[in-house]
Amino acid sequence: QSVLTQPPSASGTPGQRVTISCSGSSSNIGSNSVNWYQQLPGTAPKLLIYSNNQRPSGVPDRFSGSKSGTSASLAISGLQSEDEADYYCAAWDDSLNGFYVFGTGTKVTVL
Amino acid sequence: EVQLVQSGAEVKKPGESLKISCQGSGYSFTSYWIAWVRQMPGKGLEWMGIIYPGDSDTRYSPSFQGQVTISADKSITTAYLQWSSLKASDTAMYYCARRDYDILAVTDAFDIWGQGTMVTVSS
Repeated sequence: QSVLTQPPSASGTPGQRVTISCSGSSSNIGSNSVNWYQQLPGTAPKLLIYSNNQRPSGVPDRFSGSKSGTSASLAISGLQSEDEADYYCAAWDDSLNGFYVFGTGTKVTVL
Repeated sequence: EVQLVQSGAEVKKPGESLKISCQGSGYSFTSYWIAWVRQMPGKGLEWMGIIYPGDSDTRYSPSFQGQVTISADKSITTAYLQWSSLKASDTAMYYCARRDYDILAVTDAFDIWGQGTMVTVSS
């Protein structure tokens, strides 16, 4: 049961900037940091952004994250064809005994 | 190299039992939580639960509590996900992932992922 809501799709031409939103609540995004994962077609997910806005080693600086209140966003600047993938936000949820939740996912298409 | 290697694809019948595995290497297996994530065909990611191999502390998502069992054998650096009676709706790709948790650095994310195990349940 996903409690983080993302738009199902986003698109742009090469070089454009694309932004993906992620809406949660006080028990998840409002209380904990947000991570973003990229899933290229036919592959396992990969950590793209952690702690709201930090990039793991090897992730291009074209990818950036931000968080405000109970929402977060991922921006891809200078869109490239290899960025065509599914993107998921995620955070811990403090309700019940605590569990991790993924967003509904956004398919990014490079036109 | 830090990696998680999962067992191969499975084809089972409804009602059968199954245990899939995830072996960690290149790091201290007992010091990191391991989670399981389900992805049904054409659908998104769902977090199932997590285990700390150091002491076998296990937590489940409310959606999966009672439906699966997560375990680990630290002697062979392997985590497991098992079903006692499979259903057709269990057909999915299953991933294991390592939790990188550092309270000082405020880091808490799944940084290493296995390649996935496809489970198909069909009569």
